[in-house]
Amino acid sequence: ETGVTQTPRHLVMGMTNKKSLKCEQHLGHNAMYWYKQSAKKPLELMFVYNFKEQTENNSVPSRFSPECPNSSHLFLHLHTLQPEDSALYLCASSPSGGLNTGELFFGEGSRLTVL
Amino acid sequence: AQTVTQSQPEMSVQEAETVTLSCTYDSSESDYYLFWYKQPPSRQMILVIRQEAYKQQNATENRFSVNFQKAAKSFSLKISDSQLGDAAMYFCAYRSDSSSGSARQLTFGSGTQLTVLP
Repeated sequence: ETGVTQTPRHLVMGMTNKKSLKCEQHLGHNAMYWYKQSAKKPLELMFVYNFKEQTENNSVPSRFSPECPNSSHLFLHLHTLQPEDSALYLCASSPSGGLNTGELFFGEGSRLTVL
Repeated sequence: AQTVTQSQPEMSVQEAETVTLSCTYDSSESDYYLFWYKQPPSRQMILVIRQEAYKQQNATENRFSVNFQKAAKSFSLKISDSQLGDAAMYFCAYRSDSSSGSARQLTFGSGTQLTVLP
């Protein structure tokens, strides 16, 4: 199994739909992240969870709702999205605290298209 | 807030040649880390190389090396003997070593798309 797995890889949804992105890591890490990657822009950090607790919300609109039921799983619930939310959503994980050398371990991403 | 700038949206290199990707950053911190990540098409982003700011020696990983100029706030990546598999988007990233949790998040540049020509 790959270290960080994201599903679905591709998602097309209308502005009134509700969908969820899923991320699972098998690396024993305790920190998990959601990033948004848009063309020709830097990666934007959205949320950070450390030991299941949200430690960072980077002014993300409420139409994005994260959930972290345990240290291995991270969800991003989507509802009433806008076309400008179309992007590649990346999940990442890392060790916490003193074990964290700064390296993030990424999934392959979920390509979201909002019609 | 820190910013990371990659001024080359696209670069190309002939197979077996050497290419250098540029990165500059803006930070007032004294302790921090710098990273280069590689994102191949439709594949996971992976760490290529890491540099601790307190180390004067430039980091190297096989064919990948950096030129870290702390005073100039420059952190370029040199890829020697380029291979077709090196074709990818390359991201430069910065992380403060501050004790503040939020300050320790990675700040990424906008990326450089590298094409390797056979």
